[in-house]
Amino acid sequence: QKEVEQNSGPLSVPEGAIASLNCTYSDRGSQSFFWYRQYSGKSPELIMFIYSNGDKEDGRFTAQLNKASQYVSLLIRDSQPSDSATYLCAVNARNNAGNMLTFGGGTRLMVKP
Amino acid sequence: NAGVMQNPRHLVRRRGQEARLRCSPMKGHSHVYWYRQLPEEGLKFMVYLQKENIIDESGMPKERFSAEFPKEGPSILRIQQVVRGDSAAYFCASSPAGGGDYGYTFGSGTRLTVV
Repeated sequence: QKEVEQNSGPLSVPEGAIASLNCTYSDRGSQSFFWYRQYSGKSPELIMFIYSNGDKEDGRFTAQLNKASQYVSLLIRDSQPSDSATYLCAVNARNNAGNMLTFGGGTRLMVKP
Repeated sequence: NAGVMQNPRHLVRRRGQEARLRCSPMKGHSHVYWYRQLPEEGLKFMVYLQKENIIDESGMPKERFSAEFPKEGPSILRIQQVVRGDSAAYFCASSPAGGGDYGYTFGSGTRLTVV
């Protein structure tokens, strides 16, 4: 069983719509949650992080965390073609090696003009 | 404030040669992580290092691959006797201590092509 699960997509939304990206995780002890955006041929870029249950808003982006249900989501309002990318969910995991991030496989988002 | 620096950006090697990929972490970051990404695939964890220590190498192939992060200088990912299947993008990331709490910063990557 994968520790961090994402639907690989592609998720296709029209320009101006809300894109909803979801992620589930298996480690109930996880405390820190991150969303990265990766454009094709580029490196991942951190766009949001969330530590507490509830919503966290930053511009057009909202991260939502529900620790009881072990899921974290990213909403993108007023989606633009420039938002087309792969979105990676990352969750911290404490193991024998210390405190590391575990990445999901990513969801590919396509915003159609 | 320079970010994570990786070089070279592109590397072409013939089968059987050695590839050396370098990564200088962000200033103030003491933890380095290496990932491999094949085209249209996700990030695959390879190794986690601190200065002079390998913390977790559970994602490293058993043969031909090695990594180090010396007291002075960049972290090095070394691939000996490269094969075509090693062609991929290799990303380095760095973090301060407790990286899982603060997230990682990624470098621009090294695109390795084996011909």
